[in-house]
Amino acid sequence: EAQLLGSGGGLVQPGGSLRLSCAASGFSFSSCAMGWVRQAPGKGLEWVSVITDGGGTTHYADSVKGRFTISRDNSKNTLYLQMNSLRAEDTAVYYCAKVPGVYYFDFWGQGTLVTVSS
Amino acid sequence: EIVLTQSPATLSLSPGERATLSCRASQSVSSYLAWYQQKPGQAPRLFMYDASNRATGIPARFSGSGSGTDFTLTISSLEPEDFAVYYCQQRSNWPLTFGGGTKVEIK
Repeated sequence: EAQLLGSGGGLVQPGGSLRLSCAASGFSFSSCAMGWVRQAPGKGLEWVSVITDGGGTTHYADSVKGRFTISRDNSKNTLYLQMNSLRAEDTAVYYCAKVPGVYYFDFWGQGTLVTVSS
Repeated sequence: EIVLTQSPATLSLSPGERATLSCRASQSVSSYLAWYQQKPGQAPRLFMYDASNRATGIPARFSGSGSGTDFTLTISSLEPEDFAVYYCQQRSNWPLTFGGGTKVEIK
C-alpha cells in the first residue's frame, strides 16, 4: 500500500529556514513525479512545487520562487522541500503528493504543519 | 495565471439530494481539470481527473463534465460520507492552480 510520511515541520521565526521531508513507500518512487501543496489554516489549497521523476525539472509557484527548493533522493525514496526566508504567510500544512503521468495529485501524505511566527 | 472560480461557496443539501458544483476557469484549460474531496483534518483525495474520469475507487454517483472554461461535478444522490469540501485544479498551464472550494454541508 502506498504511503507518504511527511516530517520536519515546526515553529520557525520569520526569515528562518526549515527543511521538510517526505518518505515514500509502497510504490515506485523513482518513476513518479512528486509535488508539494500547502493549505493555510482555514483556507484552500495552494500548489507550491513539483519535481520530475529524475529530478531534472522543477516548477515553483511565484509565491515561493527563489526561496524554496524542491529536491529528491531516489536512493532513499525521499522528497524534500528546503524553505528559506520564511514569512508569516508561509504558515500552512504542507502536503507531499504523488503525481501520476500528468500533473494532478493522486496520492497525498498526511501533511506537516509549518508555523512562521516570532 | 489561470484563476479557477468555484460556486457556490457553500451548498446545503440533504442526503439523497443531487449536488451540482461548478468550476469556471479564467481561460480555457481544455479538459485538463481535476476534482478533489477534502474532509476535516484529512488530506485531499483525487476524485475526478481530465474533467470526466473517476479516480480509482470513486463511486459511480460522482460524475464530471465540461471542457474549456466551464466544468461541473455532480453527485447524483448524496450519501452521508459525501459531505465535505471539493476543490477543482487545472493542469493546463503553469502555475498549477486550485479553485477556492465548495463546501457541501448537511441541510
